[in-house]
Amino acid sequence: DTEVTQTPKHLVMGMTNKKSLKCEQHMGHRAMYWYKQKAKKPPELMFVYSYEKLSINESVPSRFSPECPNSSLLNLHLHALQPEDSALYLCASSQVDMGFVRDPYFGPGTRLLVL
Amino acid sequence: AQSVTQPDIHITVSEGASLELRCNYSYGATPYLFWYVQSPGQGLQLLLKYFSGDTLVQGIKGFEAEFKRSQSSFNLRKPSVHWSDAAEYFCAVGPLTGNNRKLIWGLGTSLAVNP
Repeated sequence: DTEVTQTPKHLVMGMTNKKSLKCEQHMGHRAMYWYKQKAKKPPELMFVYSYEKLSINESVPSRFSPECPNSSLLNLHLHALQPEDSALYLCASSQVDMGFVRDPYFGPGTRLLVL
Repeated sequence: AQSVTQPDIHITVSEGASLELRCNYSYGATPYLFWYVQSPGQGLQLLLKYFSGDTLVQGIKGFEAEFKRSQSSFNLRKPSVHWSDAAEYFCAVGPLTGNNRKLIWGLGTSLAVNP
């Protein structure tokens, strides 16, 4: 199994809703990431988890709350989002060998629309 | 400052023609370099990567890239383009060691293929 899966594929939510994005990988990777990508732009790093611990938070607003329940799962909890948060949210994972992080594998993304 | 430049925002080639996408980087240490491709509505797929060794690297889908340290470049090439290669191409560079696993991305090159 060499893929990262993300659910849902599409999500429409109002500004008062609470929703969660889910990401799963079974490649034994110990680094997992959330990225945000606007159309025709490169992905922007949001969070990095290393060995299930949050290691990087790129000053993301608190309305985005990541969670890593175990080494295979990564969630992104969403609450009180703004229309400008509409984007493609990408999950990625990487192998870690003796502190050396290999290239990230990306999931297909969740396309989020905030109304 | 660390940066990645993809000078061509948009390129159009005819099917069967050769392709070269340019990538220049500014990085203080030994760079780890990547090319990713993103088809419309899809996630990012790794085409190839360079860590060390042979400066000409082969990737998937018939792509190759050459690392030229003296020119700080990592250009992507393909001898004969197929219509299915139409996509957004991103060059990225990163340390991938330690706690800072943040990739620096170029702004992307959009490739259109004429039949």
